Amino acid sequence: DGGITQSPKYLFRKEGQNVTLSCEQNLNHDAMYWYRQDPGQGLRLIYYSQIVNDFQKGDIAEGYSVSREKKESFPLTVTSAQKNPTAFYLCASSKQGSAGNTIYFGEGSWLTVV
Amino acid sequence: KNEVEQSPQNLTAQEGEFITINCSYSVGISALHWLQQHPGGGIVSLFMLSSGKKKHGRLIATINIQEKHSSLHITASHPRDSAVYICAVPQSSNNDMRFGAGTRLTVKP
Repeated sequence: DGGITQSPKYLFRKEGQNVTLSCEQNLNHDAMYWYRQDPGQGLRLIYYSQIVNDFQKGDIAEGYSVSREKKESFPLTVTSAQKNPTAFYLCASSKQGSAGNTIYFGEGSWLTVV
Repeated sequence: KNEVEQSPQNLTAQEGEFITINCSYSVGISALHWLQQHPGGGIVSLFMLSSGKKKHGRLIATINIQEKHSSLHITASHPRDSAVYICAVPQSSNNDMRFGAGTRLTVKP
């Protein structure tokens, strides 16, 4: 079945460590997104990519990095520079931009700093 | 003021009740999305609409572009409808979306 796969579901990070969250889609979508969700707040955009080898910063990109070497993959690295990384992270994709296209989400990844 | 406001924040209903969740937005859009987030965290898209009304099973979504307002209705609510419902509005300048904080719905048997 087509969809978006995020891994791992749960991740614990020690202070000062970088961690990478995986996001893979087999929907042949051009656009991919990473969002962060905190309790009581709407999703906030970290990074998005509209095409392979290109990506743009969202509202809260500081302390995060991404790559888009393949159309189906958009991994997110949470670096040690991100001071408050504990959150729920969601990857999403759409055929092109989100304006007129259905957006598909992964199951999310819970990151906790220990 | 948030660009996308949802009300209510929390809603508890008895099984069978008619549910309405509201979304008001200030950003310009081409289409508004209604999403459902399950307790495990995964999100599914329910509707994308730019005008009028859409219906899928017991779910109905309406939008008034002039008033910048959308509603999500659930008829004959069921405990399995318990979830967080989120409205999202694309920005026209890029492919970013602005999300409401969500409405947590609990339907009791």
